[in-house]
Parts: sequence; C-alpha cells; structure tokens
Amino acid sequence: KAGVTQTPRYLIKTRGQQVTLSCSPISGHRSVSWYQQTPGQGLQFLFEYFSETQRNKGNFPGRFSGRQFSNSRSEMNVSTLELGDSALYLCASSFNGAGGYNEQFFGPGTRLTVL
Amino acid sequence: TQLLEQSPQFLSIQEGENLTVYCNSSSVFSSLQWYRQEPGEGPVLLVTVVTGGEVKKLKRLTFQFGDARKDSSLHITAAQPGDTGLYLCAGGGDNYGQNFVFGPGTRLSVLP
Repeated sequence: KAGVTQTPRYLIKTRGQQVTLSCSPISGHRSVSWYQQTPGQGLQFLFEYFSETQRNKGNFPGRFSGRQFSNSRSEMNVSTLELGDSALYLCASSFNGAGGYNEQFFGPGTRLTVL
Repeated sequence: TQLLEQSPQFLSIQEGENLTVYCNSSSVFSSLQWYRQEPGEGPVLLVTVVTGGEVKKLKRLTFQFGDARKDSSLHITAAQPGDTGLYLCAGGGDNYGQNFVFGPGTRLSVLP
C-alpha cells in the first residue's frame, strides 16, 4: 500500500497570505489528523477528520481550518498567515476500525515558511 | 487530560553504546506507540505495545510497556549513527475518536 502523501513538500509565503495544504491518506484509512510541529512547541494537534466530519479540534485559532472529502483526502487551510505559523505541518491517517487500539501513520510533512 | 513525559530530553552517545529512553504518564493508556523522526521528515511508526508488561523487539531496539500501562521504555543495544533522530512516544488514540497524545520527544545523537 502507498503511504500517506502530502503536497506540497515545501512552501514559502508572506505574512497575510493564505495557504492550502493537501493530504492523501493510506487507502482504506478513514481518519485524518493534522499536526503542527515547531522546535519550541513539539507536535501540536490541530484537528481530526473522520468520514468528512471534524471529530476533534486542538487549541488553535480559527485561521486554521480543514476539511475532508468523500475519498478521505483532506486539506487544511491557514488564512492571514503570521510569522509564527512557520512550521512543519504533518498529516497522519489511521484505519479506525471497530474496537481495539488505533495507530497513526504520518506523511512526510509540508515545510511552511512565512516571511 | 492525558499527558506523556519523556526522558531524557537530549542524549548524545558514542557508536556501540547502549541506551534507554523513557515515556511516562500518570494516566493509563490502552496502547502506546513509538516513532522515530528524522529532520524535515514525518515520524515513522516503530512499534505499538498494547498489553501491560509486553516486550517487543525490533532488531537492536527493545520496547517495553509497563505492567500498569502508564509507562514505556525503549532500549537500544549497540547504537549506530543510523539510530540518530527524535524518538516520540504517543498514546491514547482509539477507534472511538479519542485523540492521540504525544510526548515531547527524546533527541538522540549517535556519534561515529
């Protein structure tokens, strides 16, 4: 099976712009989560989508939003970019079957630099 | 709120040495995962431990889940430069929508 893919891998934007990042989960995985990773804050949970619905949300401002499509692919959007949004954005997918534990598999990430 | 702590935060050792890193919590987890992440890349899942007291081996890496399922350890035997990276533990995620919780990570550097 192909792994989680994220596009683009690298992105440079300026303050005030908006950006859309894309994630394709592993085939059959229905849950997609997004994380922001910075050297100072570590891995911070943004939100999780399951069956096209946002199921969980982290503590980020409303400038961060996402959606999931019927094929489980997901996008996240950041509007009005700030310098502090520079980070590695990671997408992770999981199967979410009935019962038992769950495992997340990560994509390679999108490195966003805001100038 | 479930939290995971990891120690040490940084570790620099010579090739061939052994090491152990720890992942601790005051909460019980149904499972814990260990990941290794290299700079600029996504974390790669190494193992999932599920049963209290469980021990899993992956070549030179040995993972143990505490009896009470509140802590886990990762032991590396005869470390190699290729083991360099950020080791993350995670837990809490289940099939009913509970979020995964991640520890802050242990940054390991193995010098040749």
